[in-house]
Amino acid sequence: QSALTQPASVSGSPGQSITISCTGTSSDVGGYNDVSWYQQHPGKAPKLMIYDVSKRPSGVSNRFSGSKSGNTASLTISGLQAEDEADYYCSSYTSISTFEFGGGTKLTVL
Amino acid sequence: QVQLQESGPGLVKPSDTLSLTCTVSGGSISGYYWSWIRQPPGKGLEWIGHIYYSGNTNHNPSLKSRVTISVDTSKNQFSLKLSSVTAADTAVYYCARDRTLPFRYFDYWGQGTLVTVSS
Repeated sequence: QSALTQPASVSGSPGQSITISCTGTSSDVGGYNDVSWYQQHPGKAPKLMIYDVSKRPSGVSNRFSGSKSGNTASLTISGLQAEDEADYYCSSYTSISTFEFGGGTKLTVL
Repeated sequence: QVQLQESGPGLVKPSDTLSLTCTVSGGSISGYYWSWIRQPPGKGLEWIGHIYYSGNTNHNPSLKSRVTISVDTSKNQFSLKLSSVTAADTAVYYCARDRTLPFRYFDYWGQGTLVTVSS
């Protein structure tokens, strides 16, 4: 059982927007802005998509955005494209100086 | 461009110690934390632990005292040892670079190496 809770799956049609939630506690997501999101295609290493709740690394499309409210962080992908189909994981720093991951969300582009 | 490459045995016997090394190229190991993260087949990511280039470490409490992480700055490498392995430790093991304050996240990852625990 993962420390952070994500929906197992989400889906959307090309051009639509989807949002993936990541729920933790005040000891992780709620207590720190060190929330990051990773995209993982099958057989590949995870790729950083969002850090510090809402910042995008250089080279990541502005269709990806992040936010946080209380103990829940969210990743929104707008203008869905076929290449966005992948697994997405949230991560948070914690009050005991460790990192946690969510269980992962499989995004299907219909 | 920083690159990370995991290396080590792909098969480990139950109760033995799993040993992996991550070689960092394209940048110095100094000044950063370096993590080990694993992913059992078909499952999610689990943070194992990390080490600062100076040797300070921290690890996932769920793995208790089975984890040892070390660093060799002269070789630009860091290593993982996981003792008393069982089938539950079968996973793809990734090494990654931590970014620390002001923002903590993993910006560079190795390609991962599958370690199977089986007799």
